[in-house]
Amino acid sequence: NAGVTQTPKFQVLKTGQSMTLQCAQDMNHNSMYWYRQDPGMGLRLIYYSASEGTTDKGEVPNGYNVSRLNKREFSLRLESAAPSQTSVYFCASSYRTNEKLFFGSGTQLSVL
Amino acid sequence: GQQVMQIPQYQHVQEGEDFTTYCNSSTTLSNIQWYKQRPGGHPVFLIQLVKSGEVKKQKRLTFQFGEAKKNSSLHITATQTTDVGTYFCAGPGGSGNTGKLIFGQGTTLQVKP
Repeated sequence: NAGVTQTPKFQVLKTGQSMTLQCAQDMNHNSMYWYRQDPGMGLRLIYYSASEGTTDKGEVPNGYNVSRLNKREFSLRLESAAPSQTSVYFCASSYRTNEKLFFGSGTQLSVL
Repeated sequence: GQQVMQIPQYQHVQEGEDFTTYCNSSTTLSNIQWYKQRPGGHPVFLIQLVKSGEVKKQKRLTFQFGEAKKNSSLHITATQTTDVGTYFCAGPGGSGNTGKLIFGQGTTLQVKP
């Protein structure tokens, strides 16, 4: 079992470019999450999907969109990247909401 | 909105010393979770506490959930270099089972051998 797989691991964008971060889990989990991590800020929730077919905003949703493609996959899209979106992005999943999270290995994104 | 605060932000200890990190929520929590992130790695689940006043131990780690379910602590006895990393607490945000798991800012532990 791979657990939670995120791609890409690293990405450099220019301001205004768009990209999609992909996330897939093979644990039959119902809930999936996207967090960003910045120094001194901890992990901040961007969007989450409590179950297949639903998505909800987290603490810092502005500038992002998500798609719960199916039970396994949850993607995060930056339509027009800004330098403030330079961060490490983590995808996570859990069997149900508020149960323990399993994290992917992260995507380091730089926006120049 | 709900806030989860952790102190201290950083802690440097000599190997063998004890370490404690504290977590405080602005609202009552139905449960609290703790995670550890090694340098360059991803957060890994340690434990979940659910009951008021609950205390759980994992070898040298002791986790407590406050009576009012608004605070929690993680205590490490006799730290080792393998304890290095950032420790996060996390609790459900909003009312009910919304699925928003809100993390504290984390406490980064450095251990001098």
